[in-house]
Amino acid sequence: DIQMTQSPSSLSASVGDRVTITCRASRSISRYLTWYQQRPGKAPKVLIYGVSSLERGVPSRFSGSGSGTDFTLTISSLQPEDSATYYCQQSSSTPYTFGRGTKLEIK
Amino acid sequence: QVRLQESGPGLVKPSDTLSLTCTVSGGSMSDYYWSWIRQPPGKGLEWVGHVYSSGNAYNNPSLKSRVTISVDTSKNQFSLKLNSVTAADTAVYFCARVAPFTQHLDYWGQGTLVTVSS
Repeated sequence: DIQMTQSPSSLSASVGDRVTITCRASRSISRYLTWYQQRPGKAPKVLIYGVSSLERGVPSRFSGSGSGTDFTLTISSLQPEDSATYYCQQSSSTPYTFGRGTKLEIK
Repeated sequence: QVRLQESGPGLVKPSDTLSLTCTVSGGSMSDYYWSWIRQPPGKGLEWVGHVYSSGNAYNNPSLKSRVTISVDTSKNQFSLKLNSVTAADTAVYFCARVAPFTQHLDYWGQGTLVTVSS
C-alpha cells in the first residue's frame, strides 16, 4: 500500500496568514493527488485534484503543487471559514489511501 | 447535479453483517467507479473499496475478505456488505463517485453512522 504522510497534524493561524500543508507519498503517485476539506459532521469536499487543478467553485486562495512524492496545499490568505480538517489522498493505485489529516484552527 | 444518498440500518450487532445502499440521482452510473469510504468517530478516512458500473469490484485488503461491493445500474444503486462486524467497524460510511482520469472522489453522499453494538 502507498502510505501518505501528512503534516502538520494540527495548526493554528490567523486570518490573512499564508498556510501550507504537506503530504508525502511512500512512492511516486504521478499526479494522482487530491486535497479535501472536511468540516465537522459533513462529507469531505474536493478542493484540488490532479495535484494542482482547482475544483469548480473553490476560492482561488487555495492552490496545490508538487510532483512524484511530495505535495503541498497552500491557502494564500486564511479566512474564518477555512477552519476545517484537510486530507490528502492518492488515487494512483488501490487501495486508495488518505493522509491522517490536518486540523486547521483560526486564532 | 449528481447526488448520492446512503441508506441502511444505523445499528448492527457484533458478528452480524452491515448492509448499506447508495442511491445515485442526477446522472448515469455507466462508465464510472463508485466507492465506499468510512470514518470512525473522531478519526481519519479509510477507503473501503469501489465497484465499476460493469460490476468489477476492488476492496481494501485491510478488511480481508469481509467486504462485498455490488452495483445495480437498473436501480441506480450500489451496495456495501461487511460481514463479521466488530466495534472497530463503527464509523460514518460515505459513498462517492470516482472521477474518470484523475480518479478523485468528486461527488459524495452525506454519510451515515453505523454503530456496532449489542
